[in-house]
Amino acid sequence: DAKTTQPPSMDCAEGRAANLPCNHSTISGNEYVYWYRQIHSQGPQYIIHGLKNNETNEMASLIITEDRKSSTLILPHATLRDTAVYYCIVRSGSARQLTFGSGTQLTVLP
Amino acid sequence: DAGVIQSPRHEVTEMGQEVTLRCKPISGHDYLFWYRQTMMRGLELLIYFNNNVPIDDSGMPEDRFSAKMPNASFSTLKIQPSEPRDSAVYFCASSTQGKGEQFFGPGTRLTVL
Repeated sequence: DAKTTQPPSMDCAEGRAANLPCNHSTISGNEYVYWYRQIHSQGPQYIIHGLKNNETNEMASLIITEDRKSSTLILPHATLRDTAVYYCIVRSGSARQLTFGSGTQLTVLP
Repeated sequence: DAGVIQSPRHEVTEMGQEVTLRCKPISGHDYLFWYRQTMMRGLELLIYFNNNVPIDDSGMPEDRFSAKMPNASFSTLKIQPSEPRDSAVYFCASSTQGKGEQFFGPGTRLTVL
């Protein structure tokens, strides 16, 4: 699976949009981009995933560039409860496991 | 559904003792994963099962670690003998049809003294 690069930490003001970037320049055509988050002392939680098109669900939006070499997870109105480590993971369609990197520690400030 | 259930939530044991961690996946899920998380190494996949059969155990650190899944609703991860370097949080996760959306349990925090 392709390697991902994320900033180690980011801050965001409560109520503002949080935009978390991820670089995956070596991504292959059959690899999906997944986002998980891990709130302190809890198990990781699935957020969203996509292949080529932008995706949106009740938690977040995922924007994937046209060349697929990077993506951005958007939390439209961040709350204090969104403070967590966010993991960007690239996974092939045939794989079953997930490989977690070091992620981005997002801190939402009041 | 109650989600993935793990027990115990906390375990403190002495070096050399046997430790057994337990996991009940979400009903109907056919994949089960065991992960370990430490500050140094992050979140690592240890082993995963499909339909109760171990598929990939390449992440199991050494022979002291073993995992079983006797039926679709129960799995164990055993460490015998335990060592201080095994101290970590162990997560169990399950998914359906191999999808990338995995559901994680609350984890077991293991401390080996």
